[in-house]
Amino acid sequence: QKEVEQDPGPLSVPEGAIVSLNCTYSNSAFQYFMWYRQYSRKGPELLMYTYSSGNKEDGRFTAQVDKSSKYISLFIRDSQPSDSATYLCAMRDSSASKIIFGSGTRLSIRP
Amino acid sequence: EPEVTQTPSHQVTQMGQEVILRCVPISNHLYFYWYRQILGQKVEFLVSFYNNEISEKSEIFDDQFSVERPDGSNFTLKIRSTKLEDSAMYFCASRSGTGNTIYFGEGSWLTVV
Repeated sequence: QKEVEQDPGPLSVPEGAIVSLNCTYSNSAFQYFMWYRQYSRKGPELLMYTYSSGNKEDGRFTAQVDKSSKYISLFIRDSQPSDSATYLCAMRDSSASKIIFGSGTRLSIRP
Repeated sequence: EPEVTQTPSHQVTQMGQEVILRCVPISNHLYFYWYRQILGQKVEFLVSFYNNEISEKSEIFDDQFSVERPDGSNFTLKIRSTKLEDSAMYFCASRSGTGNTIYFGEGSWLTVV
């Protein structure tokens, strides 16, 4: 079983729709959870950071962590064509320095 | 806004040649990383560096790879004898001593021919 699983997509939705992106993980020691956005041939750009379980909102983005289910989500409200990118979940445990990435979900927002 | 900067943005090299990729992490950050992404694949961890030494490395980071912080601002990745399968985007990243988020550069695209 992979440490972090993420559906690669592609996911295509119309402009204005609510987008739900998800990751599951197997390591119960993960405490820090991040979502990155990556445009083609560019570096990952940090979108959201959450510590342990709970919700966090930032503008049109909401991150959720459910540690009991080992499941994290990113919701994008009022999606825009400029949101079209690959979204990467990433996570870290408190004893390690590195973060582990999911494989990324390709998202396309249709005008 | 502070950012991680990487050079070169793209390098083409012949198989067997040595390559050095350079990075300037965010000022005052203490943890430094190299990741790589083969085209169409996931972002993979290579190595982390703290307090002037490697703190963690992956199986990918074999004897052909080395890292160095030659001065107070630069962080380099050296590949001693490049192979075709080293062709990838290499990302440098950094993290502050108190923060938990890692910030990435725009990457150096390495093509080995």
